[in-house]
Amino acid sequence: NAGVTQTPKFRILKIGQSMTLQCTQDMNHNYMYWYRQDPGMGLKLIYYSVGAGITDKGEVPNGYNVSRSTTEDFPLRLELAAPSQTSVYFCASSQGTGSSYEQYFGPGTRLTVT
Amino acid sequence: GESVGLHLPTLSVQEGDNSIINCAYSNSASDYFIWYKQESGKGPQFIIDIRSNMDKRQGQRVTVLLNKTVKHLSLQIAATQPGDSAVYFCADVRMDSSYKLIFGSGTRLLVRP
Repeated sequence: NAGVTQTPKFRILKIGQSMTLQCTQDMNHNYMYWYRQDPGMGLKLIYYSVGAGITDKGEVPNGYNVSRSTTEDFPLRLELAAPSQTSVYFCASSQGTGSSYEQYFGPGTRLTVT
Repeated sequence: GESVGLHLPTLSVQEGDNSIINCAYSNSASDYFIWYKQESGKGPQFIIDIRSNMDKRQGQRVTVLLNKTVKHLSLQIAATQPGDSAVYFCADVRMDSSYKLIFGSGTRLLVRP
């Protein structure tokens, strides 16, 4: 299993540009999450999904959108990039139930907005 | 607001010594905690978890202690090795329908040779 994969690894955007961060998991997990991590800080939840077709806002959703058309994929969309969105973005997935609530993280996408 | 926080931003230990990383949480209803390790340029990696009905849980070279009275948990790493150098986060799992994680800001562990 590849686990959670994210593309691209790095991206530089100009202010006002848009882009989609891709996230795919092959563990058949229902729960998926997008976090951002600013330098020297912990991770903050942007959006999450409890299953295909269902998404909900996290702690810092402004400026982002998500969709969940399949179990495997959970893309994050930035419509009008702003310097405040410069960060490292992590996607994660979990079973959500059972004996462990562990979230499995992807390698991250480092985004710079200038 | 509710938060999970860490006492020390950086911890420097001698190789072979034991390390103790502390974490305080504010939500008295918190039921489940996870410790993650994050190496430079990588995503967080699961280390160990603990439920609120436990005081202690042990893994390979790691032990997590939970004190619900003072809302504090700690991660102990035995015989710290250079490969343990990383940032460590505690996270509170919200046991609602989301199972989302609330992360603290992290402690950087530096292992001196």
